[in-house]
Amino acid sequence: GENVEQHPSTLSVQEGDSAVIKCTYSDSASNYFPWYKQELGKRPQLIIDIRSNVGEKKDQRIAVTLNKTAKHFSLHITETQPEDSAVYFCAASIRNTGFQKLVFGTGTRLLVSP
Amino acid sequence: EAGVAQSPRYKIIEKRQSVAFWCNPISGHATLYWYQQILGQGPKLLIQFQNNGVVDDSQLPKDRFSAERLKGVDSTLKIQPAKLEDSAVYLCASSDHRGAGEKLFFGSGTQLSVL
Repeated sequence: GENVEQHPSTLSVQEGDSAVIKCTYSDSASNYFPWYKQELGKRPQLIIDIRSNVGEKKDQRIAVTLNKTAKHFSLHITETQPEDSAVYFCAASIRNTGFQKLVFGTGTRLLVSP
Repeated sequence: EAGVAQSPRYKIIEKRQSVAFWCNPISGHATLYWYQQILGQGPKLLIQFQNNGVVDDSQLPKDRFSAERLKGVDSTLKIQPAKLEDSAVYLCASSDHRGAGEKLFFGSGTQLSVL
């Protein structure tokens, strides 16, 4: 089945710096790659996603890039702020009997220090 | 719009006891998911419903876990009997399509501690 690996497991940056989180997936048929942010004690929330027919997508300070050949995708956060501190999960969708399900990475704990 | 509702928020039980979790998805969402999130790990899909039918339960430990979604709306997830390794947050999520590249809306989760 699909396997999603995520690195690093923890990331500490200073406010204003950039942060990059990387994920690799195993199933070449995967075609949808969302990123979820989970603040402490709260539910995961979608922050950005990308489909396999697009190489890059940007939304204000957040961007995601996808390399289908290498089967990896990355989350880029620029001008980080303390409120960006959270656990970030990447995911990849695989087909299963006509439906798709998400397989999540293990998460990256991002700490932004003022 | 109202979000995905889950209850209880916390549950503490002893091993070999039974426990049940409840989920009410966003109105109109046909697809409902139950995920298990062990501390320090990403959510793992346990079961996926499309309306009241099971689409995927390949990772559900069927000897102890069961789930149903009667009438295609609310869902319950049960564990009987519980083991120590079942300690986790159980997240319910819903989406309004087959999950094929659609946004998942998560509930707040039920934190289960098995002692």
